Amino acid sequence: QVQLQESGPGLVKPSDTLSLTCDVSGYSISSSHWWGWIRQPPGKGLEWIGYIYYTGSIYYNPSLKSRVTMSVDTSKNQISLKLTSVTAVDTAVYYCTRIHNSGGYPDYWGQGTLVTVSS
Amino acid sequence: EIVMTQSPAILSVSPGERATLSCRASQSVSSNLAWYHQEPGQAPRLLIYGASTRATGISARFSGSGYGTEFTLTISSLQSEDFAVYYCQQYDDWPYSFGQGTKLEI
Repeated sequence: QVQLQESGPGLVKPSDTLSLTCDVSGYSISSSHWWGWIRQPPGKGLEWIGYIYYTGSIYYNPSLKSRVTMSVDTSKNQISLKLTSVTAVDTAVYYCTRIHNSGGYPDYWGQGTLVTVSS
Repeated sequence: EIVMTQSPAILSVSPGERATLSCRASQSVSSNLAWYHQEPGQAPRLLIYGASTRATGISARFSGSGYGTEFTLTISSLQSEDFAVYYCQQYDDWPYSFGQGTKLEI
């Protein structure tokens, strides 16, 4: 059973960097799947941040591209997300996902982690 | 970016009845369309992909249809666990995008 678990600080100060990790269990991230991050501001809809392959190929949402860095650590079976220069609009639940092989839609989701940007 | 528009924003239906949710794309996405169900405090769950293929373990009460710019999710014989928010998502062109959601309420 594939399981994804996000972790990281729940509170980040404005202008700081948001850093999250996603531990994947029950499946090797080096297998043939992409891995993505999606976020959801409280009470609002879903927004793609980007997705990454274990080889390092990455797609970032152009709206966030200048501030986002995603990476994989195959030795830890883990993916990571960094978002720089955060503001209140970056307050959201951040989800780690596995992308289905046949297209760009997640078939497995982590439970999500709420990150609040506030001083 | 492709804009996905869902209607209605809120749909009130009684248990046992059928619900029909709509999703429109601002340009053709072929059949590269997925539907998700999200309960409060939970992550979304994949229901449909390829516009009409049910994901593993999804009840046959859920059916998807459509192609190009117009899509429909139909839920027959609504059960209590079906009352939640539903999102469509296009994965035809990056950045992929979600609709704003339809809340299905009793």
